[in-house]
Amino acid sequence: SSELTQDPAVSVALGQTVRITCQGDSLRTYYASWYQQKPGQVPLLVMFGNNNRPSGIPDRFSGSSSGDTASLTITGAQAEDEADYYCNSRDSTSNIFGGGTKLTVL
Amino acid sequence: QVQLQQWGAGLLKPSETLSLTCAVYGESFRNYYWTWIRQPPGKGLEWIGDVNHSGSTNYNPSLKSRVTISADTSENQFSLKLTSVTAADTAVYYCARGRGWLELRLDYWGQGTPVTVSS
Repeated sequence: SSELTQDPAVSVALGQTVRITCQGDSLRTYYASWYQQKPGQVPLLVMFGNNNRPSGIPDRFSGSSSGDTASLTITGAQAEDEADYYCNSRDSTSNIFGGGTKLTVL
Repeated sequence: QVQLQQWGAGLLKPSETLSLTCAVYGESFRNYYWTWIRQPPGKGLEWIGDVNHSGSTNYNPSLKSRVTISADTSENQFSLKLTSVTAADTAVYYCARGRGWLELRLDYWGQGTPVTVSS
């Protein structure tokens, strides 16, 4: 089965821009969705499809995709953005999550 | 307002069957993929499988031999059964609503149920 690969950890200075990437063959066919999870909390959908933000998600979050790689960009990262981020996509009749990226805001 | 509320036994012995149910409030059962996901302690998310309103299911190949997901449209509920559990099945289990095909997203989640497998 396919896999989605994410960098385990990324850091960003407060107010700067950070890109979190997700790579996998399934992304050539299906869009990624992105989930933010803070300690002890339920994952929260922050991005899906071709740069679609659910209601209530700040516009500093944006998404993009090219080939086998999807990206989640945070422009002007805030302290409250520190969290684990997971990508997810279909894989034919299955569904896969990336291993997650721990984002630290310095 | 869509809400998913889940429940089930939180402590199991090895070889027992895990059974969880998720009730859906504020939304029709149709046109969505009702999904189970789990997260072992300190680890990432793992998709278990999903069911639609007609009862059609998809399962994670690594769990397929032990998993059954079913839907009760009259009660707006769906359920997860995982047989022959071991310590490796210890995790927080979430139910979620999936929508979209090419751009699948899990937009509503249950509160999570911690499940521990221990003798």
